[in-house]
Amino acid sequence: DAGVIQSPRHEVTEMGQEVTLRCKPISGHNSLFWYRQTMMRGLELLIYFNNNVPIDDSGMPEDRFSAKMPNASFSTLKIQPSEPRDSAVYFCASTLTPGLEAFFGQGTRLTVV
Amino acid sequence: GQQLNQSPQSMFIQEGEDVSMNCTSSSIFNTWLWYKQDPGEGPVLLIALYKAGELTSNGRLTAQFGITRKDSFLNISASIPSDVGIYFCAGYNTGNQFYFGTGTSLTVIP
Repeated sequence: DAGVIQSPRHEVTEMGQEVTLRCKPISGHNSLFWYRQTMMRGLELLIYFNNNVPIDDSGMPEDRFSAKMPNASFSTLKIQPSEPRDSAVYFCASTLTPGLEAFFGQGTRLTVV
Repeated sequence: GQQLNQSPQSMFIQEGEDVSMNCTSSSIFNTWLWYKQDPGEGPVLLIALYKAGELTSNGRLTAQFGITRKDSFLNISASIPSDVGIYFCAGYNTGNQFYFGTGTSLTVIP
């Protein structure tokens, strides 16, 4: 298995633009997590899905952020409009079932200028 | 969101020394996981713990799930330069929410 695949690896965009980050979980995994990592705040859980259904989105910072999981093999995290303070590394992780070890993608480094 | 307190925040050690770091939570966790993150990469799983009191080893790494279910520790024996990186604890609480610790930055001096 190729592991969790995220795209793009790097994204530079101007303030106000829409940004879409993509994630393909490990095949057969039923839970997917989105995290944001910054120096100041570390790894923050944004949202997690179980069987494609959002279970907890309390970590989503504000309405500009939205996440979807239309099927078991794909998820998106969208920021619209983007702001400079959204600059961070965004990670996706998947696990077979909640409570088991989670595996991470390589992340998307987002820079909003 | 839930914060796992990890200590120490950073460590500078000589090659060959043993390392110990720990993680505490104010609430009960059902699973503890330890990850290592290298620059520009995602966290990589080192050890998974599923039962209170469990002691698990992976090569030079040993981790334990605390009896109270509110803490865990990771030991690295005979450190080598490639152990450099940031180590994170993580865990699932009783609501299956998955949270990360604040990280321990390890520097190994040859």
